[in-house]
Amino acid sequence: SQKIEQNSEALNIQEGKTATLTCNYTNYSPAYLQWYRQDPGRGPVFLLLIRENEKEKRKERLKVTFDTTLKQSLFHITASQPADSATYLCALSTPHRGYSSASKIIFGSGTRLSIRP
Amino acid sequence: EAQVTQNPRYLITVTGKKLTVTCSQNMNHEYMSWYRQDPGLGLRQIYYSMNVEVTDKGDVPEGYKVSRKEKRNFPLILESPSPNQTSLYFCASSFPYEQYFGPGTRLTVT
Repeated sequence: SQKIEQNSEALNIQEGKTATLTCNYTNYSPAYLQWYRQDPGRGPVFLLLIRENEKEKRKERLKVTFDTTLKQSLFHITASQPADSATYLCALSTPHRGYSSASKIIFGSGTRLSIRP
Repeated sequence: EAQVTQNPRYLITVTGKKLTVTCSQNMNHEYMSWYRQDPGLGLRQIYYSMNVEVTDKGDVPEGYKVSRKEKRNFPLILESPSPNQTSLYFCASSFPYEQYFGPGTRLTVT
């Protein structure tokens, strides 16, 4: 069956360092991979999307890589700040035939990131 | 303001009493979806809809029903709730892939 693993349940790093989160998947060939941020008690918030034919995507201090050979995505936050503390989720999807949107979407269980001052 | 709304936000009910959680979006998105989130299990998709009158099962559809009669609304129906459906539920909409999530509905079934 399709499976997504976010390797670290929790990650603690010093402010200013780069946080690197990992998302691995098996038995799946996603066309799209997304990263979301979730704060306690709130809905996830979209951060970045990367397509299967893209190697890397950047947005401000965020960078995502997508290696379809390794079946892995890395999510980096550079110059981390305490305000970056949250749970980060990766999600995989494929296009639904005949529609311009996704079919089923699968989420990883998340990595809880803590940035200490 | 672009948003996804869910009602109610909190609900405590008893086993077997039918309930509906409403979801509405004002962004004219075609895709809508329902998830449940449980500790240690992450977000799991219940049902999704690619457009009006088109729905399909996610990973955990048992015990749930949905309908999509209008583009903006996607209600989640629990015909006979059971305690194992106690969870935090999220509705989301997107076009095509970036999902906007609602604030969540915390459901307790006793």
